[in-house]
Amino acid sequence: LAKTTQPISMDSYEGQEVNITCSHNNIATNDYITWYQQFPSQGPRFIIQGYKTKVTNEVASLFIPADRKSSTLSLPRVSLSDTAVYYCLVPAGRRALTFGSGTRLQVQP
Amino acid sequence: NAGVTQTPKFQVLKTGQSMTLQCAQDMNHNSMYWYRQDPGMGLRLIYYSASEGTTDKGEVPNGYNVSRLNKREFSLRLESAAPSQTSVYFCASSPRRDSGGVYEQYFGPGTRLTVT
Repeated sequence: LAKTTQPISMDSYEGQEVNITCSHNNIATNDYITWYQQFPSQGPRFIIQGYKTKVTNEVASLFIPADRKSSTLSLPRVSLSDTAVYYCLVPAGRRALTFGSGTRLQVQP
Repeated sequence: NAGVTQTPKFQVLKTGQSMTLQCAQDMNHNSMYWYRQDPGMGLRLIYYSASEGTTDKGEVPNGYNVSRLNKREFSLRLESAAPSQTSVYFCASSPRRDSGGVYEQYFGPGTRLTVT
């Protein structure tokens, strides 16, 4: 079953670019990689999803190398409001999705 | 368009009591999910319903039952609450669920449940 590994926490400053990497060594051929954001006391919110190479939307970019065993969420020019927990998800069989513990991003002024 | 709504927002139960958490979505989604999130932890899937009329166990189904009442509504029942079930419960929906996890999930605001 696919399992993801992310850093527990990261710190950054306003205006910097933040890259959060997730490893998913056992990703299946048909699986997409999805990232969610969660603020305190709220449900997770979809950020971006991709299958290979690079995906970009108005919020973030997602980089996926050819072997697809990892992915990197890139947040350009973060602000204080980007302080949240970020989850990398890969389907883990029929009973998925597994969110894991996520990466706590703290953005400081 | 309210999205995913959950009731109640807060609940305190005594050990052994029962209750049902309600979830409804107005996006005409086929798939619905129940998760629990313990303090400082990620979300764990309790049950899901891939489509109306079907339900299946997730990662942590013990102590819970679900009912997919119709396409809009998916309820979670605790028959005999235990302190270990103290958590925040999130309901989510997606257009469809397939093995690739292509379709994004939309989450409700959560229900904070305390069992004493």
